[in-house]
Amino acid sequence: DIQMTQSPSTLSASVGDRVTITCRASESVSTWLAWYQQKPGKAPNLLIYKASSLQSGVPSRFSGSGSGTEFTLTISSLQPDDFATYYCQQYNSYSSFGQGTKLEIK
Amino acid sequence: EVQLVETGGGLIQPGGSLRLSCAASGFSVSNNYMAWVRQAPGKGPERVSVIYTDGDTYYADSVKGRFTFSRDNSKNTLSLQMNSLRDEDTATYYCARRALGSHWYFDLWGRGTLVTVSS
Repeated sequence: DIQMTQSPSTLSASVGDRVTITCRASESVSTWLAWYQQKPGKAPNLLIYKASSLQSGVPSRFSGSGSGTEFTLTISSLQPDDFATYYCQQYNSYSSFGQGTKLEIK
Repeated sequence: EVQLVETGGGLIQPGGSLRLSCAASGFSVSNNYMAWVRQAPGKGPERVSVIYTDGDTYYADSVKGRFTFSRDNSKNTLSLQMNSLRDEDTATYYCARRALGSHWYFDLWGRGTLVTVSS
């Protein structure tokens, strides 16, 4: 099974900050990687697929990059609505998710 | 409105059974690849089972032989029959739609239903 490891587990930031979340795969997943945002009590919401493709309706301040085993999700200028937990998911081999990165207000 | 709504969760003793349902609206489940994904408290999601448009189903090893994924095209609903439940099955269960294309990532999720397995 491919293990997905996110860092950091928790990230404190302020509105307007640029933040980056990293996701590492235990083996190459090419660019078959998605990012989701989840708020408490809500379902995950797809942000990015194929490592860097922005899902329709998602603000352009979200971007993804990477390939192989290392990936990043960047939020260019944090907005109040962005404080949530973020998950990466590889779908190259079966499917597996990271453990999550909680983005909290500093 | 395009949405998924799960029902059927609750508190169940180890060894018991529970049946989850997922009602879809705004699209047809029979024309889409669908999945059940669960999330244990404080953990990342885990894909549990999928159903293809041709009706084929696949399961994670952790639930194989205990869970059954089915679809009712006339009602546009999905079901997950869960038998021989274990403590480690405790999670919020989501139904989800695979995004268009040939890869298993999800563009639509329900709000989930909580299953607690405890004596």
